[in-house]
Amino acid sequence: GQSLEQPSEVTAVEGAIVQINCTYQTSGFYGLSWYQQHDGGAPTFLSYNALDGLEETGRFSSFLSRSDSYGYLLLQELQMKDSASYFCVVDSSYKLIFGSGTRLLVRP
Amino acid sequence: NAGVTQTPKFQVLKTGQSMTLQCAQDMNHEYMSWYRQDPGMGLRLIHYSVGAGITDQGEVPNGYNVSRSTTEDFPLRLLSAAPSQTSVYFCASSYSQSEKLFFGSGTQLSVL
Repeated sequence: GQSLEQPSEVTAVEGAIVQINCTYQTSGFYGLSWYQQHDGGAPTFLSYNALDGLEETGRFSSFLSRSDSYGYLLLQELQMKDSASYFCVVDSSYKLIFGSGTRLLVRP
Repeated sequence: NAGVTQTPKFQVLKTGQSMTLQCAQDMNHEYMSWYRQDPGMGLRLIHYSVGAGITDQGEVPNGYNVSRSTTEDFPLRLLSAAPSQTSVYFCASSYSQSEKLFFGSGTQLSVL
């Protein structure tokens, strides 16, 4: 079977740094993605890690450790508009499987 | 360049009715997929396609059919709607499953 675990909710202050963790168990693994979804909207792509290490895109970074079946999304210099749900997604042999999501609330 | 277009945006069905959710993309993407999202939950994969003429089941395929006769279109058919199929449905496409997914705006479906 396949399972992804991520925290259900995280709260942080504007300007701070927050890390959202994701652990996974899958049969077949090709990479880990992260998506952002605002309430009432569609998910939008943030990052993709196929290899171990850190990928940086502006204020967002994503990390993967294949040996630990673990990844995280790091958001820096938080802004109010970052309040949204964040999903880790496993690329498992043509199937993209979403985690249940982490709801991030950014407070002033 | 419209991206991924889903229709309709809203739909109400009675139990037992059938309908087709339309999805079209104009980016020449090979990979297309359908997800459903229930309140407060992640997206669950219903069916996917890696190219015209090729489809396969995802995590929750029961009660749904798909076909991929062209690269552009990937319709989702509900054969006999049930209240458990009340959900928001998203269609997505990408060049391959390891590339970023582009999502349609979603269809809010209610089955009474």
